Amino acid sequence: DAGVTQSPTHLIKTRGQHVTLRCSPISGHKSVSWYQQVLGQGPQFIFQYYEKEERGRGNFPDRFSARQFPNYSSELNVNALLLGDSALYLCASSPRAGGDEQYFGPGTRLTVT
Amino acid sequence: GENVEQHPSTLSVQEGDSAVIKCTYSDSASNYFPWYKQELGKGPQLIIDIRSNVGEKKDQRIAVTLNKTAKHFSLHITETQPEDSAVYFCAAPAGGGADGLTFGKGTHLIIQP
Repeated sequence: DAGVTQSPTHLIKTRGQHVTLRCSPISGHKSVSWYQQVLGQGPQFIFQYYEKEERGRGNFPDRFSARQFPNYSSELNVNALLLGDSALYLCASSPRAGGDEQYFGPGTRLTVT
Repeated sequence: GENVEQHPSTLSVQEGDSAVIKCTYSDSASNYFPWYKQELGKGPQLIIDIRSNVGEKKDQRIAVTLNKTAKHFSLHITETQPEDSAVYFCAAPAGGGADGLTFGKGTHLIIQP
């Protein structure tokens, strides 16, 4: 079975621009979570979606938004990019809501210049 | 929300020896504790997890122990091999109504040949 897939792999943007990152969960999984991982740190929770409903939000500004589609894939959008948004953005899928059994994709490396 | 502390930040062991990584958590309501392994350029990989109704879980060379009273849990790797070299993260439910995970800062495990 295919694991979690994310696109694009790498992305370079300029300050002030907008970015959209995409994630496809493991087949049969209905929950998608997004995390930001800065170099040398653990992943930080941004959002979780289950059955297209937001199930929690971490301590991130409103510039970050997400949505989940009927096929359970998800998009993370970040507006008005700042240099500090440079990070690895990870998507994790799970068969159920909550923190249990989250399986991560390879991530999207975002660089803001 | 949950706070997870992880020690040590770097651990160097001889091949064949055992490695132990320790984490503490703050929310006594937390009931699920996963461990992830992250290799360079990849997303975190779930390697073992434990729920609060058991004190220990083993899977071949890895084991996790949980002490609910002291609010700490540990990862034990026996007979370490070169392929065990990676960054290891512990995590716990984010809490505060957010259905995600809070991660520790990671332990860089180095296996010396």
